[in-house]
Amino acid sequence: DTGVSQDPRHKITKRGQNVTFRCDPISEHNRLYWYRQTLGQGPEFLTYFQNEAQLEKSRLLSDRFSAERPKGSFSTLEIQRTEQGDSAMYLCASSSNQGTGAFFGQGTRLTVV
Amino acid sequence: SQELEQSPQSLIVQEGKNLTINCTSSKTLYGLYWYKQKYGEGLIFLMMLQKGGEEKSHEKITAKLDEKKQQSSLHITASQPSHAGIYLCGAALDSNYQLIWGAGTKLIIKP
Repeated sequence: DTGVSQDPRHKITKRGQNVTFRCDPISEHNRLYWYRQTLGQGPEFLTYFQNEAQLEKSRLLSDRFSAERPKGSFSTLEIQRTEQGDSAMYLCASSSNQGTGAFFGQGTRLTVV
Repeated sequence: SQELEQSPQSLIVQEGKNLTINCTSSKTLYGLYWYKQKYGEGLIFLMMLQKGGEEKSHEKITAKLDEKKQQSSLHITASQPSHAGIYLCGAALDSNYQLIWGAGTKLIIKP
């Protein structure tokens, strides 16, 4: 396990379609984070898991967004009825409890046309 | 809106010159993290600082956290083309380690 991996790297979808992204964290990390990043900005926090429990959700996460981490390992982020404003880079990160630093995946770039 | 202020927004530096990037918070930080990002890619962890007055170095990059734990600087000595990218500071406000972020500093190295 060499790091956090995200799939797909790129996704182009038509407005109104549903999309799902996957994140595989570093195996010994029990914390998993989803962020969204638009051009020229830092990442915006979306949601956070400790093992399989979703502990916090940002108000940015509308009811069209849902995230799961069913077995406390990989996580999925689903966006339903995508809108053009959802176009962004979606970043996943994982960390241990010790706060030694979150490690990021390469991100999934979503383009809604 | 960004809760951490990073400056400058962008920086063009002649290869071989030194440079400094700053990150400032109005709140006392639990931890401060520096990351580097290439365009369209994920973030690469550089360094973490937790103690007031702490300083860490890796190769030609040095990061410091002030005594009040509200400001950090990232200093690059004798810059090289490989240093080009976007530098982001992230800060934890408590032990949950959920990070808030600066907007990033875009660094361009001129040959």
